[in-house]
Amino acid sequence: ETGVTQTPRHLVMGMTNKKSLKCEQHLGHNAMYWYKQSAKKPLELMFVYSLEERVENNSVPSRFSPECPNSSHLFLHLHTLQPEDSALYLCASSQDQQGYNSPLHFGNGTRLTVT
Amino acid sequence: AQKVTQAQTEISVVEKEDVTLDCVYETRDTTYYLFWYKQPPSGELVFLIRRNSFDEQNEISGRYSWNFQKSTSSFNFTITASQVVDSAVYFCALSEVQGGSEKLVFGKGTKLTVNP
Repeated sequence: ETGVTQTPRHLVMGMTNKKSLKCEQHLGHNAMYWYKQSAKKPLELMFVYSLEERVENNSVPSRFSPECPNSSHLFLHLHTLQPEDSALYLCASSQDQQGYNSPLHFGNGTRLTVT
Repeated sequence: AQKVTQAQTEISVVEKEDVTLDCVYETRDTTYYLFWYKQPPSGELVFLIRRNSFDEQNEISGRYSWNFQKSTSSFNFTITASQVVDSAVYFCALSEVQGGSEKLVFGKGTKLTVNP
């Protein structure tokens, strides 16, 4: 079992739907992240949470709304998405967020398709 | 300007061949970290190595080896005697300070296919 678990693995949604992606880490880490991976592009950092507090938001559209209820769980709430939002969404965690020298541990990702 | 350049988009080799994945980075920091991650078809990125900017010693781990050269701003990754299980997308990443906080910047990745 991977230390970082993401559900669902695949999601197809219409542009008017509301859905949520879930991430859970079993590693005792203090920082969690959402990344977006699109074809032919580098991984894009979306959100960073450290000790349940959002510390970074990289100009992500408001149709993506993160939630971190505790240090082990991270959600990404989706609503009114666009087809270009179709991508692999990866969750990651690290021991601390003070520096990126802490290696990231990734989940398997959620493959999102917006129709 | 691209911070981390992985010029090889795709590489295809036959099993048992050696293969080198290139990574060139750009930074103004004197202290930074470099990483390699592997992304198999299952999707999750797997951490392979972290190297800080003060440690230019090359590292070997089994069939994997890394060549860090500050003079050319490169951090290349070599797989010796490649195996089919090495097929994956490999990402090089740079951690540096931007705007007062540390940022992790990934390259676009190199897709490696090892054929039997």
